[in-house]
Amino acid sequence: DADVTQTPRNRITKTGKRIMLECSQTKGHDRMYWYRQDPGLGLRLIYYSFDVKDINKGEISDGYSVSRQAQAKFSLSLESAIPNQTALYFCATSGDLGTDTQYFGPGTRLTVL
Amino acid sequence: EDKVVQSPLSLVVHEGDTVTLNCSYEVTNFRSLLWYKQEKKAPTFLFMLTSSGIEKKSGRLSSILDKKELFSILNITATQTGDSAVYLCAVGRGGGTSYGKLTFGQGTILTVHP
Repeated sequence: DADVTQTPRNRITKTGKRIMLECSQTKGHDRMYWYRQDPGLGLRLIYYSFDVKDINKGEISDGYSVSRQAQAKFSLSLESAIPNQTALYFCATSGDLGTDTQYFGPGTRLTVL
Repeated sequence: EDKVVQSPLSLVVHEGDTVTLNCSYEVTNFRSLLWYKQEKKAPTFLFMLTSSGIEKKSGRLSSILDKKELFSILNITATQTGDSAVYLCAVGRGGGTSYGKLTFGQGTILTVHP
């Protein structure tokens, strides 16, 4: 079984709809991250959480919100989806403070019409 | 503002060729540099480098970091079609609320033809 899972894997929605993307991990990591990937732009950080009570904005948080329901679960919401939020979204986790290595989920491809 | 720049943006080679991918960075309070390989799905971890001049090697892949000149290279020898992927470079910062965050470059798209 995958250590980091994301649901849904693909989603098509319409402008103005509220969308939630979910991430679960079995790695026992405290730190979790949400990124979006657009062609030619690499991965950009949306939000990150270092533990259940700690939520921080990344470089492109406008139009997004998150919820850390448990150590293993971190959800990303688009309150009112717009077409330029069409992208590939990745969740990632990382473990102890001695390493920066992040482990990625399989991604969610979101299309906003 | 942190900056990570990869070059070239894309590269097409034939099987058996050797390739060198570049990553330069400008980051406050540098802590580590990481390389990932991304095929059609999630990025998968290749290397993490923290010290200058020490080569990390895994099979046909190797990487080295130069903290004075602020860059890293990823070498792939005797390329195979399975090496076709996007290669991502990321830099980790230390200290305060930035600890553990990564800044990614745009990626290099490598295509290996048979």
